[in-house]
Amino acid sequence: SQQGEEDPQALSIQEGENATMNCSYKTSINNLQWYRQNSGRGLVHLILIRSNEREKHSGRLRVTLDTSKKSSSLLITASRAADTASYFCAMDTGTASKLTFGTGTRLQVTL
Amino acid sequence: NAGVTQTPKFRVLKTGQSMTLLCAQDMNHEYMYWYRQDPGMGLRLIHYSVGEGTTAKGEVPDGYNVSRLKKQNFLLGLESAAPSQTSVYFCASSHLGPTHEQFFGPGTRLTVL
Repeated sequence: SQQGEEDPQALSIQEGENATMNCSYKTSINNLQWYRQNSGRGLVHLILIRSNEREKHSGRLRVTLDTSKKSSSLLITASRAADTASYFCAMDTGTASKLTFGTGTRLQVTL
Repeated sequence: NAGVTQTPKFRVLKTGQSMTLLCAQDMNHEYMYWYRQDPGMGLRLIHYSVGEGTTAKGEVPDGYNVSRLKKQNFLLGLESAAPSQTSVYFCASSHLGPTHEQFFGPGTRLTVL
């Protein structure tokens, strides 16, 4: 089964609103990464948060990590139509040299 | 700097045919990965490589083979394609493995009839 589960599966908001998506995982991690995928394109890295960090910011993005709850959240503030995409979390569990991806959240931002 | 490129972009195969997908990166990355993406499944790792001449199995390796003869290239082969291999395939590379970000190619959409 997937290491990462994302919630919600789909989210529709209006431009200017904030969007929050959550990622839960099952085992301990070294770091957790968030990626964006525009329709029909490859994934693009957004932000990486290490297991000893609780919060990280990058522009309009804010990521939190709660290792006790095995969960992370991605907040996009003041969303724009261009933020419409799927968002994936990916975990480095220290098992082999790879990331394990979550199932993704589809975000739709309407004008 | 092209980043990660994939060839071809689209392909239609008949059951039993073979093909090779090519991934190339120009960032001198050690690690390379092949994923498949199916609706509702996220990305699943097929095979990966931690350096030239090395390969390792991921979550879903059956029916696929890979080779990394040159550091910049990672080939994914389907020896006898099956309809279950209809998917979008993504290649990615990373400088130092899962402690660093992965850079993705644009994907190859494969249909097996």
